[in-house]
Amino acid sequence: EDQVTQSPEALRLQEGESSSLNCSYTVSGLRGLFWYRQDPGKGPEFLFTLYSAGEEKEKERLKATLTKKESFLHITAPKPEDSATYLCAVQAWGFSGGYNKLIFGAGTRLAVHP
Amino acid sequence: DTGVSQDPRHKITKRGQNVTFRCDPISEHNRLYWYRQTLGQGPEFLTYFQNEAQLEKSRLLSDRFSAERPKGSFSTLEIQRTEQGDSAMYLCASSLSVNHEQYFGPGTRLTVT
Repeated sequence: EDQVTQSPEALRLQEGESSSLNCSYTVSGLRGLFWYRQDPGKGPEFLFTLYSAGEEKEKERLKATLTKKESFLHITAPKPEDSATYLCAVQAWGFSGGYNKLIFGAGTRLAVHP
Repeated sequence: DTGVSQDPRHKITKRGQNVTFRCDPISEHNRLYWYRQTLGQGPEFLTYFQNEAQLEKSRLLSDRFSAERPKGSFSTLEIQRTEQGDSAMYLCASSLSVNHEQYFGPGTRLTVT
């Protein structure tokens, strides 16, 4: 069964303290791995798509990397405005055929304190 | 704003009542998805449309749930005879194609009392 596990569940950082979030997955054929950011009471906001092992994407203080079994979201010198829940998802094969849905992990709640 | 929009943003209803939510996708996107998210969890897939055709439904989608996308534009999700376990955030997303990322709307928060 396709599954996504994120760790840690929650992470508290001081402003400027770099760290990494982990997303491990088991899926029958990875089509794509996605990272989203979600603020309280809002819908997920798209960050990155990764398709193959070794691929890396960067955006401001965030860098996402992908291996055959997991993905990391590295946060460099975070600021308080980076506080949010970060969700990882894999694109999974649907019963009707085709990669029609995302399977999400439970997310990592990040709090960055000044 | 040209993003995905959802209406209403919040809905409080009594158990046993019917509710309907609306989603307007990004205009050129032909794929539309519904997800449900409960507190502390990631979104769970409910159903998916390509244009007006509903191509897949999750086992989570009981007979009380029905979704439509007439004319391949906006979509509605109806829940009949609501139960307290239906309380959740209902998220809509759209994408240009299977090869493109899904963009989410702000969600509809449903509370069943």
